[in-house]
Parts: sequence; C-alpha cells; structure tokens
Amino acid sequence: SAVISQKPSRDICQRGTSLTIQCQVDSQVTMMFWYRQQPGQSLTLIATANQGSEATYESGFVIDKFPISRPNLTFSTLTVSNMSPEDSSIYLCSVLSAGETQYFGPGTRLLVL
Amino acid sequence: SQELEQSPQSLIVQEGKNLTINCTSSKTLYGLYWYKQKYGEGLIFLMMLQKGGEEKSHEKITAKLDEKKQQSSLHITASQPSHAGIYLCGASSTRGSNYKLTFGKGTLLTVNP
Repeated sequence: SAVISQKPSRDICQRGTSLTIQCQVDSQVTMMFWYRQQPGQSLTLIATANQGSEATYESGFVIDKFPISRPNLTFSTLTVSNMSPEDSSIYLCSVLSAGETQYFGPGTRLLVL
Repeated sequence: SQELEQSPQSLIVQEGKNLTINCTSSKTLYGLYWYKQKYGEGLIFLMMLQKGGEEKSHEKITAKLDEKKQQSSLHITASQPSHAGIYLCGASSTRGSNYKLTFGKGTLLTVNP
C-alpha cells in the first residue's frame, strides 16, 4: 500500500486569499488525484494531476481556481485560489497503486471565513 | 452521470450484532471500492471488487459485488466499537478507467458497547 501525507492538515483562511496544499507519497506513482468533500457531502473528483503536463479537470472545476502542480512522481500540490466560504471543505489527494487500488491521504480540512 | 445510492444513511447497532450496508447504481460498475472514514479525516481502504459475483473478506468485514455489477454490499459480523465510522462506496462506470471514482454519500455507523 502507499503511504500518503498532506500538508497542512487543517487551516483557517480569510476570503480572497489562496492556500496551497501539498501531497507527498512514499513511492513513485503514475496517477494522482485531488478530491473535495464539502460539508455533509460525499467526495467529488476535482482533477487528475499529470506529471510533466497540465492537470485534467473534471466538469465544474477550472485551472484558474484550482491550479495543480505535479513536478515528479511522488509529489503534487493543489492551490485553492481567491477563496470564499463555499470553498470550506476537506481536500484529499489520492494515488493509484500498481495493483490498481486507490489510496487516499489524510485530508486537509479548510475553513474559509 | 453515475449516482451511487447507499443505504441506510445511518445505522446504530449494539456491539456484537451483524449489519449490512448496500451500494446501488443504475449503471454497470467498474472497480467498486469500499472505504471507511473517521469524521473529518481521510479514507481508509477496505476492499476493491471488480468482477461480477466477486466476494472478499478481511477480518470481520465481507464485501460482495453482484453478478450484474450494479450492487455491492458490505457485511460486518459481530460488530465492535472500532467499526464505528462512515462507510463510503466509490466506483467508476467507465470501462478501462476504474480510477475516476464517483462516491456515495456514505453510511454513518455507530456501535454501542
């Protein structure tokens, strides 16, 4: 299994600011993903983080709002830009292992005031 | 888009009792995952099912995927307080890309000692 860490684990931010979330995996993985879990809701896929190229965004999510970097096969960042209270969520990164099992990080709990 | 319906939404059982959680889709499922989530935290991988009729067990938890690959169940035998949490099913309805997951809204399990 993959061991995934995320930083920060939680944060409280003011509206209009941006926050960058880091995701680190203990082994090289081909596919990394970013999900959002809004309060009382289930997980929604934001984008697939592609190494060496632009991320692939799902419907309803755009690069200007959620820029993603993937500089290598063990690391990715998600930035939540120009935040509003509606962005208050848990943000989770996940990876697809060689055995096609998808593992999730511990999440970043974001509160926007 | 695919929707996954989980039932029940919440469940309270006495320690030692058996329980079942269901996950149903109107579309064929490719890669059905079960996860457990503690409140406000990341997802713990439980099991993945891919083949119709497949059944997997780990300790006291058994998951099944029906022959039509449209319904899965998670069964816990002799529940313990450590089983408490939110159980999520996630799946893809796209053959060949079983990593872009849609999730159900979860089942909140409480186990009373």
